[in-house]
Amino acid sequence: ETGVTQTPRHLVMGMTNKKSLKCEQHLGHNAMYWYKQSAKKPLELMFVYSLEERVENNSVPSRFSPECPNSSHLFLHLHTLQPEDSALYLCASSRYGVGGDTGELFFGEGSRLTVL
Amino acid sequence: DAKTTQPNSMESNEEEPVHLPCNHSTISGTDYIHWYRQLPSQGPEYVIHGLTSNVNNRMASLAIAEDRKSSTLILHRATLRDAAVYYCIPASGGSNYKLTFGKGTLLTVNP
Repeated sequence: ETGVTQTPRHLVMGMTNKKSLKCEQHLGHNAMYWYKQSAKKPLELMFVYSLEERVENNSVPSRFSPECPNSSHLFLHLHTLQPEDSALYLCASSRYGVGGDTGELFFGEGSRLTVL
Repeated sequence: DAKTTQPNSMESNEEEPVHLPCNHSTISGTDYIHWYRQLPSQGPEYVIHGLTSNVNNRMASLAIAEDRKSSTLILHRATLRDAAVYYCIPASGGSNYKLTFGKGTLLTVNP
């Protein structure tokens, strides 16, 4: 139990569907992240929010839309996805930024997305 | 971001020490060296990090070369639960929010 909870754990959707992934952290952290992990590829950073402001958008297609309504919750809204978007989507949080001596990332267990 | 080189895979026996190497020859002077691991079907978890001096915690030890161009993660007594992909990640401090994961090293622990 890392203190970062992701729902749903598994999601199957068609290319025309609209769905959302939810992440909640109970650690009092200020920064939240979305990472994507495709089969046989390294984790890719998608979005970073710090104090509810987006500070990083790593050239992610607009069919992925993040939302951070408060420092404890992060959503990833999905619409008109492609089969190649099938992957494990991981949420993480940190007290401040990462790197240096500013602390560590805490990851959720991920949401396994399959796009048909 | 500093480039890292890690072996694709390593094998160990249970209760034996494991030394996981990482080369990061382009590391900058302000980069800390972070290690994470990812167990099967789980998100990554933090293991340890350091700047120049060797570091120890309850999970592992981190040995950093004097020139900082390489480091070694040491698991003192491997258990089956240590079987995972281990990632070495140099990252600078300040307001940096990027932790860039590479392919890591897949550690297999034999009973």
